[in-house]
Order: sequence, then structure tokens, then C-alpha cells
Amino acid sequence: RKEVEQDPGPFNVPEGATVAFNCTYSNSASQSFFWYRQDCRKEPKLLMSVYSSGNEDGRFTAQLNRASQYISLLIRDSKLSDSATYLCVVFGGSYIPTFGRGTSLIVHP
Amino acid sequence: GAGVSQSPRYKVAKRGQDVALRCDPISGHVSLFWYQQALGQGPEFLTYFQNEAQLDKSGLPSDRFFAERPEGSVSTLKIQRTQQEDSAVYLCASSPFSGVPGNTIYFGEGSWLTVV
Repeated sequence: RKEVEQDPGPFNVPEGATVAFNCTYSNSASQSFFWYRQDCRKEPKLLMSVYSSGNEDGRFTAQLNRASQYISLLIRDSKLSDSATYLCVVFGGSYIPTFGRGTSLIVHP
Repeated sequence: GAGVSQSPRYKVAKRGQDVALRCDPISGHVSLFWYQQALGQGPEFLTYFQNEAQLDKSGLPSDRFFAERPEGSVSTLKIQRTQQEDSAVYLCASSPFSGVPGNTIYFGEGSWLTVV
């Protein structure tokens, strides 16, 4: 079993839709979690950190469920510009972040 | 610029050729990472430096891969006798160090390696 798992998608949604992705992790000692966004042929860039109490940044909401060992990302009112791959990142108790394979989102008109 | 800089951006190597990929991290960043990303996959960890010390190289796929960061700043990833399966994007990332895992890491644009 991989340390960090994501559904690769693609998730194909219309503009204005709400879409949610989950990411599961296997190491119960994991302490820090992030979502990164990667555009086609570009490098990954930080989207948001994930805090234990959940956090929101505009249309984006990230949540952590330690009991079930998953994090989630919710995008409301999807825009065409949200089309990208969303990478889940987990620090499993060390200084080295582990990436999921990413979930592809396509927002269409 | 102030970001992570990688060179070359694109490299085509003949099978069996040696290649060297350079990473110039953000000034003052103690931590430096190399990742390999194949098409349709997430970045896979290769190696990690804190300053000049290579603390983890468990992700290097074979002894043909070698990385160094001799002065704790610029890093080089060297691949000897390249094979077709080495074709991928090689991403360098750097991060400040706070003594606690979980700092944001910042990526360079990557070096796109194609082995023919």
C-alpha cells in the first residue's frame, strides 16, 4: 500500500460546481499536511496547508480526519482556471514530504 | 530571481550518456530535495540535504544516481549511463528549516530529461 493515495480522476465538472477530493495516508504518526496545485507542464505550487481544525481560503476548504487518516479538499463555485492536478502532501514524521499521485480536475464551460 | 532555479530546463541524452542537473535553491534555505516525476504520476522522492549533509538518499533508484551539495547551497544531481527509464522531470525543491517537520517547500520549474 502506498503511503499517500489519491484518486487520479479526472474529475470533470461544469463551472460553478462544487467538487471534493480525498487523500488517504498510511502513517498514523503523520503530522503536517498540505495541498499543492500543479498546472500542466509546470512545477507544483502550494495551495494551502491543512490544519487539524479545518481551514478555509476563499472558495477552498481543507479538512483533516485523523481517526480515518484522510484529508480532503473542497472547491466551491469552480472556475475554468481551477483546472489542474491537485497533489496531496504528507509529512510522515520526518522532514521529507511524500506526495500523492495527484487528482486531475477539469472544469468545463 | 528569488525562486528555485534549475538548469538545464530540457535535456535530450543518448542512452549511456552521463548527465548533470543543477539546482540553485532559494537563498538561505537549509533543506533541499530532489524529486523525480514521471508523466501522470506525483513527484517521487529521491534525496534530501540539510545544508551540505545528505541525510537521506533512500529514493535514488540505482547507484547510477548521485547527488551532492558541497557548500550547502547549489546542488547537482548526476545520472550516469542514462537509460530510457530515466526519462522524467527532475524537480528540485528547497525549504527553510525550523527544526520541526512540515515547512512549505518551493519547487523549481524542473529539468525535463529525455533519454533516446
